[in-house]
Amino acid sequence: DAKTTQPNSMESNEEEPVHLPCNHSTISGTDYIHWYRQLPSQGPEYVIHGLTSNVNNRMASLAIAEDRKSSTLILHRATLRDAAVYYCILRVYNTDKLIFGTGTRLQVFP
Amino acid sequence: DTGVSQDPRHKITKRGQNVTFRCDPISEHNRLYWYRQTLGQGPEFLTYFQNEAQLEKSRLLSDRFSAERPKGSFSTLEIQRTEQGDSAMYLCASSLLGSGQKNTEAFFGQGTRLTVV
Repeated sequence: DAKTTQPNSMESNEEEPVHLPCNHSTISGTDYIHWYRQLPSQGPEYVIHGLTSNVNNRMASLAIAEDRKSSTLILHRATLRDAAVYYCILRVYNTDKLIFGTGTRLQVFP
Repeated sequence: DTGVSQDPRHKITKRGQNVTFRCDPISEHNRLYWYRQTLGQGPEFLTYFQNEAQLEKSRLLSDRFSAERPKGSFSTLEIQRTEQGDSAMYLCASSLLGSGQKNTEAFFGQGTRLTVV
């Protein structure tokens, strides 16, 4: 399974944008990039996913490098509720298991 | 639909006892997964089902672990002869994979926290 590398922790102030990086240099052509987040005492929650093009949804944006070896999850305006562990995951085409790393713990300060 | 539900939320058991957890997926979701999470780590994949068929099992799933999904709806995860190392959060997730779909999101329950004393 291809690996991802993320910073252990990041900090942000409320209402500021947050850019969460992820490196995945061994990504293959059929791997999808998924992001999940886990709030304290909750199960993981889907955030966004993409293959090659940048993606936007109501929660976040996903910017994927042209060579696909890295990606960035963008929270446009962080709120206190966004404090969580964010996981960047490579998901092989047509398989369903998610291989989680240790993720990035995001702290948001008022 | 209230999402994926897991029961119980917490379980304390003595070493050597058997425990069983239940997961009710989102109705009509055909895929169901079990994960285990220890403190400070991301969830680890254990196994998954498509309908009632168990399609993949991780090497983490020792002989003491067994999972079933008898009618393709709810699932149970049983741990026999529990050990202290089994203490973890056990997470269940479900997804709907239709024909032609390549990737879908998984919906997780809140987990069952097992403590083996």
